[in-house]
Amino acid sequence: NAGVTQTPKFQVLKTGQSMTLQCAQDMNHNSMYWYRQDPGMGLRLIYYSASEGTTDKGEVPNGYNVSRLNKREFSLRLESAAPSQTSVYFCATLDRRFYGYTFGSGTRLTVV
Amino acid sequence: SQQGEEDPQALSIQEGENATMNCSYKTSINNLQWYRQNSGRGLVHLILIRSNEREKHSGRLRVTLDTSKKSSSLLITASRAADTASYFCATDGDSGYALNFGKGTSLLVTP
Repeated sequence: NAGVTQTPKFQVLKTGQSMTLQCAQDMNHNSMYWYRQDPGMGLRLIYYSASEGTTDKGEVPNGYNVSRLNKREFSLRLESAAPSQTSVYFCATLDRRFYGYTFGSGTRLTVV
Repeated sequence: SQQGEEDPQALSIQEGENATMNCSYKTSINNLQWYRQNSGRGLVHLILIRSNEREKHSGRLRVTLDTSKKSSSLLITASRAADTASYFCATDGDSGYALNFGKGTSLLVTP
């Protein structure tokens, strides 16, 4: 009963480094989402995957790429990290039975 | 884009009091949802209200929706210290069932 699992929980990167944030769900949901949360900005959608094999850009996709590896996993990649990408990143899945999201516990990323 | 806007940004009350938060949005919606976020944690779904509903209850939560004013309110009755959290409204987006979140109301309930 893990729900949505995000790894790592914390990460510090140097400017220009790359990394992949992992998200896995065990709820058999079709749709998965990546959001970033910044102080005073609420949550902003980066990318989403409505179903396995599809991905689409959200509000703030620049500097990111995603991969929907299979139905369970949806990863977010930063190819060349910038200080502006310092944020808390949340993965979420959608239960279409009641249209509510289930969120992971987040990845706190700092780019120095 | 962020469609929902919560008001107030911050709210401080004592245990036992009621807490009311408001959300305004810009375009037509199919449903509106409320989420809670405890410090350092992910968001948790609280309640969904559909565009053809005007009021909905869940335990100590009461949500209203006025589509003519494009606004919603979340009422938490008999607040407890454990209700201390940030509360976000979210509206459905254009595609992919993506949700647009507001910036949230920070609620502090003191004993």
